[in-house]
Amino acid sequence: NAGVTQTPKFRVLKTGQSMTLLCAQDMNHEYMYWYRQDPGMGLRLIHYSVGEGTTAKGEVPDGYNVSRLKKQNFLLGLESAAPSQTSVYFCASNGQGTNTGELFFGEGSRLTVL
Amino acid sequence: SQQGEEDPQALSIQEGENATMNCSYKTSINNLQWYRQNSGRGLVHLILIRSNEREKHSGRLRVTLDTSKKSSSLLITASRAADTASYFCATGGAAGNKLTFGGGTRVLVKP
Repeated sequence: NAGVTQTPKFRVLKTGQSMTLLCAQDMNHEYMYWYRQDPGMGLRLIHYSVGEGTTAKGEVPDGYNVSRLKKQNFLLGLESAAPSQTSVYFCASNGQGTNTGELFFGEGSRLTVL
Repeated sequence: SQQGEEDPQALSIQEGENATMNCSYKTSINNLQWYRQNSGRGLVHLILIRSNEREKHSGRLRVTLDTSKKSSSLLITASRAADTASYFCATGGAAGNKLTFGGGTRVLVKP
């Protein structure tokens, strides 16, 4: 199993450009999450999904949109990138909710907005 | 705002020594989890402790939880150079849908 796969791994954008990060998991997990990681800030939850067709806002959702059209995929979109969105983005998935189990993380996508 | 705060922010020890890091949180939790992150990689789950548990072991890892003090500790015994990483605590609330992470402790184990 590949686990959680994120694409792309690196991307450089100019301010105002748009892009989509793709997260794919092959573990048939219901729950999927997008976090961002900034130096000294730990991980902050952007959006999450508790099943196909559902999405919910996390701690820092502004400037991002998400979609979960297929159970195995969770897309994170930036409609108009800003330098403040320079970060490392991590996708994670979980089978039964975080009360009962662990999160499985991808390797991260490093985004730089100039 | 972060639910969990790790202490210390950084820790440097010799191989063979024990490493202890602490996590404090603010609100009621259902469980607390510890993760490790090697440089440039994703996070890897280490251990989960539920709110009704006080101590848990996994190999060289020992986790304690004191819900009255809203704190947890992670002890790595007989550390190895391969334990060099950042360690994060994460708390899960009653809703069970998401985890909130702390800022992490960077651990350097010198050979």
